[in-house]
Amino acid sequence: SYDLTQPPSVSVSPGQTASITCSGDKLGNKYAHWYQQKPGQSPVLVIYQDTKRPSGIPERFSGSNSGNTATLTISGTQAMDEADYYCQAWDTNTACVFGGGTKLTVL
Amino acid sequence: EVQLLESGGALVQPGGSLRLSCAASGFAFSTNAMSWVRQAPGKGLEWVSTISTYTHYAVSVKGRFTISKDNSKSTLHLQMNSLTAEDTAIYYCARGGGNFPWYFDNWGQGTLVTVSS
Repeated sequence: SYDLTQPPSVSVSPGQTASITCSGDKLGNKYAHWYQQKPGQSPVLVIYQDTKRPSGIPERFSGSNSGNTATLTISGTQAMDEADYYCQAWDTNTACVFGGGTKLTVL
Repeated sequence: EVQLLESGGALVQPGGSLRLSCAASGFAFSTNAMSWVRQAPGKGLEWVSTISTYTHYAVSVKGRFTISKDNSKSTLHLQMNSLTAEDTAIYYCARGGGNFPWYFDNWGQGTLVTVSS
């Protein structure tokens, strides 16, 4: 089976840049998507197809994907960005996979 | 506005069955892939199943769960059989964005399934 690995937690100071990584075998050959989930809420798509932002998602959210690692970058992180973040991809056997999630703390 | 409203979650005994539904509105339901994603208490997201031209299942539910779409009623279903405690989770309905490989661009609020005696 295909696995996506994320760090369990990332901390960032307000106004600084947060980077959350997602690692998987040859992930750069697949599309990576990212979701934000705040406590008690449903997930929200923040980046799709590696680099694209859905309408309504702030420009401070960006993504990249190369080699074995996809990265979600939040520039000028705000307190409201504190949440769990999940990466997602499809493997060649048409099974969908989520990373284990990263808790972003803004302190 | 896209809306997804799940229903059918309940407390069920191990070995039991349950049918979840997701009522969709605000988009062309028949032309979109649709999925179920679950989240066990305090845990991460786990993909369960997707239906488009074909159906796809996670290994953990294959043979026990069946996904279906009623395009005439814009409703997605998940028939769950032989339930175990490991199936306890919030079940989210999600719309597939774009073409395969899909991302999930809209999510419902979720419905809670608890498997316990």
